[in-house]
Amino acid sequence: EPEVTQTPSHQVTQMGQEVILRCVPISNHLYFYWYRQILGQKVEFLVSFYNNEISEKSEIFDDQFSVERPDGSNFTLKIRSTKLEDSAMYFCASSEGLAVQETQYFGPGTRLLVL
Amino acid sequence: GQNIDQPTEMTATEGAIVQINCTYQTSGFNGLFWYQQHAGEAPTFLSYNVLDGLEEKGRFSSFLSRSKGYSYLLLKELQMKDSASYLCAVRLYNTDKLIFGTGTRLQVFP
Repeated sequence: EPEVTQTPSHQVTQMGQEVILRCVPISNHLYFYWYRQILGQKVEFLVSFYNNEISEKSEIFDDQFSVERPDGSNFTLKIRSTKLEDSAMYFCASSEGLAVQETQYFGPGTRLLVL
Repeated sequence: GQNIDQPTEMTATEGAIVQINCTYQTSGFNGLFWYQQHAGEAPTFLSYNVLDGLEEKGRFSSFLSRSKGYSYLLLKELQMKDSASYLCAVRLYNTDKLIFGTGTRLQVFP
């Protein structure tokens, strides 16, 4: 069964450093998403991406964040200058379409720890 | 604002039936999803409801009442592997995102 994959599974970085989290969405999916989950808290939407541009973003997704689809398969989330509060599990998701019944399938996540 | 409420924790016995409730106060409701999340893992899709009524998928069923802003997930014939968090998530009109509740942590005991 096709699945969303993410790399790395864990990332430790120093405050102020840049990190890039990578995702390979399901191959026939057209809509891509990033969510994050701070330990013990709920899953929060960050950004959605379609047709090579951001279609929606949350308040969390400020200028420190960017997303890119550098080639036909990868979808990346970059945090330019990490802060301690960026420590969280970051999930990539993808869906085939945008209709309400289109399920968003989540990847296994990247656990980011900012020291 | 948007508000989604679920009980924080529940316990149940192997073989039993458990019902996990979710209430929501949102504007522009367009659908409700249930996900299962084992500790440290990704949310896994279980079911969705767009219209009122019951959707059944094997041991799992989900119910929706849009007029009451209420949904529940019913798990039958509980197994130990069902110990996980169950996340209720709402989709609104004209938006891509899912808005998640805090999740209900279910512990199944032998």
